[in-house]
Amino acid sequence: GAGVSQSPSNKVTEKGKDVELRCDPISGHTALYWYRQSLGQGLEFLIYFQGNSAPDKSGLPSDRFSAERTGGSVSTLTIQRTQQEDSAVYLCASSWDQETQYFGPGTRLLVL
Amino acid sequence: LAKTTQPISMDSYEGQEVNITCSHNNIATNDYITWYQQFPSQGPRFIIQGYKTKVTNEVASLFIPADRKSSTLSLPRVSLSDTAVYYCPYPKGGYQKVTFGTGTKLQVIP
Repeated sequence: GAGVSQSPSNKVTEKGKDVELRCDPISGHTALYWYRQSLGQGLEFLIYFQGNSAPDKSGLPSDRFSAERTGGSVSTLTIQRTQQEDSAVYLCASSWDQETQYFGPGTRLLVL
Repeated sequence: LAKTTQPISMDSYEGQEVNITCSHNNIATNDYITWYQQFPSQGPRFIIQGYKTKVTNEVASLFIPADRKSSTLSLPRVSLSDTAVYYCPYPKGGYQKVTFGTGTKLQVIP
């Protein structure tokens, strides 16, 4: 596929469980971003990967959140011990020039 | 804190031209200005980008004054399908993250 893909598209989990969200960026894009969007709200930056540089983790809301990017391609966002306030749409985007971001369809997370 | 400022919401009737202005606090010399559109239940998508003066594509026009401290997205003759949230994220300065705000929610009225 030519675009950014994310999986799963929807995830329902119980409070306290861990979840993993996956992002497959566009091939060749060196930059990858994760955002969180609560219902009716704007995009909240979480983390940014650029090539082999150390990621910018300044947006991660707590130490329950972590992300990695393997081989400069696929990225996984992990949320440990999920809480109800973690319910949101998690969006991934990739870019080759940091000027234009291409977004995936998002993963809708619901924590019961 | 570097950021962009844009109206929270706008209403427009079908067929009218809509202009959404964004102010760019401390935009860097080498930064481009990019606008995104987000429909409900979808990720944002790129619609237009410019550096200065005017840029036009099949979707919109973008006007950037000489001082580049603001930009105006112009949507000609809007239709109901243009109802969306429009973002002018804060451009990067070097290899840094791009910061999105809450955007402008455009509601097109029949």
